[in-house]
Amino acid sequence: GQNIDQPTEMTATEGAIVQINCTYQTSGFNGLFWYQQHAGEAPTFLSYNVLDGLEEKGRFSSFLSRSKGYSYLLLKELQMKDSASYLCAVRDSGGYQKVTFGIGTKLQVIP
Amino acid sequence: KAGVTQTPRYLIKTRGQQVTLSCSPISGHRSVSWYQQTPGQGLQFLFEYFSETQRNKGNFPGRFSGRQFSNSRSEMNVSTLELGDSALYLCASSSGAGGSYEQYFGPGTRLTVT
Repeated sequence: GQNIDQPTEMTATEGAIVQINCTYQTSGFNGLFWYQQHAGEAPTFLSYNVLDGLEEKGRFSSFLSRSKGYSYLLLKELQMKDSASYLCAVRDSGGYQKVTFGIGTKLQVIP
Repeated sequence: KAGVTQTPRYLIKTRGQQVTLSCSPISGHRSVSWYQQTPGQGLQFLFEYFSETQRNKGNFPGRFSGRQFSNSRSEMNVSTLELGDSALYLCASSSGAGGSYEQYFGPGTRLTVT
């Protein structure tokens, strides 16, 4: 099975950089996703990592270390609209490759 | 392309009743997954269907069931509702199963059990 840990809440200042960590323990691994979910809305896809290293997409970057069972989402030049929950999700490598979500990190961006 | 749609958006039921929720995936998507979201538990996986077959099932009691039709639309049924079933039920579709296929979520059905 999967066990995924993320901080439940974070606060950061507009214009700053914030790093949201995710650690996981898994019996098999086939990729890690990050999703963003604004209050009252559906989650939307941000990134997917399956190999070690950093993937950059504009202001958002995601990092993965498979040996450490660790990922982070880096948000640069924070904007007020980045206030949302950020969900880490792991796909296992079993026959049916189930996706398991962490509880999510609620990020509040303050002026 | 239209997104994932879920009906109804809001539902109020009484304990002991049953409910059926519907999900229409993005056109061409064959995988549909269902999740229960509550403030304390986050997104809990219910089940996944691909080409009318259940691929995965989460750790929910047998009162929770689902199915997928030949047009990829999916339904989820909860029988003998309990107060603890109050939650947002999210459906997500993807074009394939496994690997890097990301999921596209619908707006959810907010179920309240009284």
